Formats: sequence, C-alpha cells, structure tokens
Amino acid sequence: DAGVIQSPRHEVTEMGQEVTLRCKPISGHNSLFWYRQTMMRGLELLIYFNNNVPIDDSGMPEDRFSAKMPNASFSTLKIQPSEPRDSAVYFCASSLFRLGTSGYNEQFFGPGTRLTVL
Amino acid sequence: AQKITQTQPGMFVQEKEAVTLDCTYDTSDQSYGLFWYKQPSSGEMIFLIYQGSYDEQNATEGRYSLNFQKARKSANLVISASQLGDSAMYFCAMRERTSGSRLTFGEGTQLTVNP
Repeated sequence: DAGVIQSPRHEVTEMGQEVTLRCKPISGHNSLFWYRQTMMRGLELLIYFNNNVPIDDSGMPEDRFSAKMPNASFSTLKIQPSEPRDSAVYFCASSLFRLGTSGYNEQFFGPGTRLTVL
Repeated sequence: AQKITQTQPGMFVQEKEAVTLDCTYDTSDQSYGLFWYKQPSSGEMIFLIYQGSYDEQNATEGRYSLNFQKARKSANLVISASQLGDSAMYFCAMRERTSGSRLTFGEGTQLTVNP
C-alpha cells in the first residue's frame, strides 16, 4: 500500500519566490494535516482538514501561508512570498477520523519536504 | 501550559539493555489517546504505539511497551533489548476528544544506543 506521498522531497528557493508543497494522503483517509518541524520550535501543526474542509488553521504563521484541499486525494501548502525563516521540514500526515472518538486513529506521516529559503 | 512534556532531551543506553523514555501530559478530557512516534535521522515519522485513556492494560507492540499511569498523567515508553537501529528521536503525542483530530506533540527525546 502506498503511504502518504509528498513532493518535492527537497526544495531550495530564493527569498520572495512562491513555494508550493504537495501531498497525496492515504486512500480512504478523511483527515489531512500539515506540520512544520524546526530545531527551534519542534513539530508544529499548521492546519488540518476533515473531509476536505479546513477545521483548524490557527497554526498557520501568517497570511503568506495558505493551504487547500480540492479533493480527498490532494492537498497543497503554498508560501508566497517565501522568507528564510520559513526554512524547515514540512510534513503532511493523514488519518481516518471517526467522530466522537479519541481512539486508535494514528496519523501516518509522509517523508517530508525539506525547504530551504536562501 | 505544555500539554505534553518530555523532560529528557537526550538519553543513552547500551545495546541490549532496556530504556524508559518519559512523557507526562496535561488534559481535562476524560477521553484521550496517547501516541509515540519515532523519527530516525532519515527524517520520517514512524508510529510506534498507542494507549487509550480507557484501556485498562498497558499497550505493547513487540519490544515497545507503554507504562501508563493515569493518576500521574504519565505515559512512558519502554524499549526492551535496545538495538543500534533504535537510535532516533522519540516523540510523545496526545489526542484529546475535544480537539478533534489534532495531535499535540512533545519536544522529543533523542535516544542513542551505544554498542
């Protein structure tokens, strides 16, 4: 079975450029998460979707960041314009969420995109 | 307040010995789940083990077990018979019933297994 797929795996760009990160969740999963990991701040949840609808975007740093999920099998995280402080590893994760439970629905993570903004 | 606290930034263990990685949590929910993830140097996040707040027995998965002490709000990960491949960063995380799908992660513990 294919896991969560992220592309690109590595991205190097210059300050001011637009960056688009892509994610394909595991088929059948209905929740999708975008995380950012840095040495300073650890693993931060940026936004998550249930059934393609954004539920909580309180972790999105600022208006330069936007995320979309046009269908159940694809999501993007866009940074425009990018800044050096956006350099981090960005993870996408998916899970099968069942309403009313706190139970066994672990998140499966993609391999991450290592973003470097010069 | 921190919801997940991992007080050990780094831990060392000799190969074949057991090691305990600490995790304490803070929640007012009665229903919640606790997770441990492993992140090797290659960067991927690997799910290890899960414990539900209503589970009466400690979770076990192969060499991993979770020492769940609900009254103390701790969910320590025990790795038995450590292997060199266990060297990695380990994250404790919690999902609360009132927080939907959201997982809150601790800061992690870097485990090094020495030969």
